[in-house]
Amino acid sequence: NAGVTQTPKFRVLKTGQSMTLLCAQDMNHEYMYWYRQDPGMGLRLIHYSVGEGTTAKGEVPDGYNVSRLKKQNFLLGLESAAPSQTSVYFCASRPGDSLNTDTQYFGPGTRLTVL
Amino acid sequence: RKEVEQDPGPFNVPEGATVAFNCTYSNSASQSFFWYRQDCRKEPKLLMSVYSSGNEDGRFTAQLNRASQYISLLIRDSKLSDSATYLCVVILPYSGAGSYQLTFGKGTKLSVIP
Repeated sequence: NAGVTQTPKFRVLKTGQSMTLLCAQDMNHEYMYWYRQDPGMGLRLIHYSVGEGTTAKGEVPDGYNVSRLKKQNFLLGLESAAPSQTSVYFCASRPGDSLNTDTQYFGPGTRLTVL
Repeated sequence: RKEVEQDPGPFNVPEGATVAFNCTYSNSASQSFFWYRQDCRKEPKLLMSVYSSGNEDGRFTAQLNRASQYISLLIRDSKLSDSATYLCVVILPYSGAGSYQLTFGKGTKLSVIP
C-alpha cells in the first residue's frame, strides 16, 4: 500500500498561472480532504469530499476548486494563482465518518510557491 | 477566542526529562480529541486519541478535562527522537455539512537536547 500520495512534491508558479494538485489513496477511503499549512496558522481545511462525485467547502475555499471523479483521487485546482496561495498543501483521507474512526492519513505534502 | 489554542513553544528539554503540553478548546460540545505529531517538513501523523478516562501509550499519557476544556499530553523520559511539533486536534459537533470537521491547533514545538 502506498497510502496517500501527492503530485507534485514541489512547484513554483507565476501569478495568474493555473495548476492542479493530485491526491491519490489506495486504502478505499470514502472521505478525502485538502488542507493548507502556513507558518503560524496551523492546518486549515480548503475543501473536502465525503464520497465519489461529492465535494464541499471547508474553512478557506476561495481561489480553489476540487473534483472527486474517482473514489481514489481528489484533485485541487488553482485557477489563477496568487502569492497568498504560497503554502504547503496536504491531502488526507479517512475511512469513514465515525467519531471513533479518527485517523486521518496524510500525504507527504506539496510545497507551492507563487511568485 | 480561537477554537483550539496551544502554546507554540518551543519547549527545549534535556533528554530524560518529563514535559507536558496543554491545549484548550472553546466549544464545550466538542466530540473527540487527538494528538498528532508532525516532524519538520513532513506530514502530520496520529500520535494518540484522548479519552475521557485518560490513556497511556508507553511514555506518552493523554488526559482530557471537559470541565476546564483542555487536553494535555505528557511525555516521560524524553528521547531525541521526540523532537517534533505536536498538534492538538478537536472534532467539533456535527454541523450537517456531510462530515465531522477536525480542527487543528497551531502546534507546540518540542526540542529534546542531548
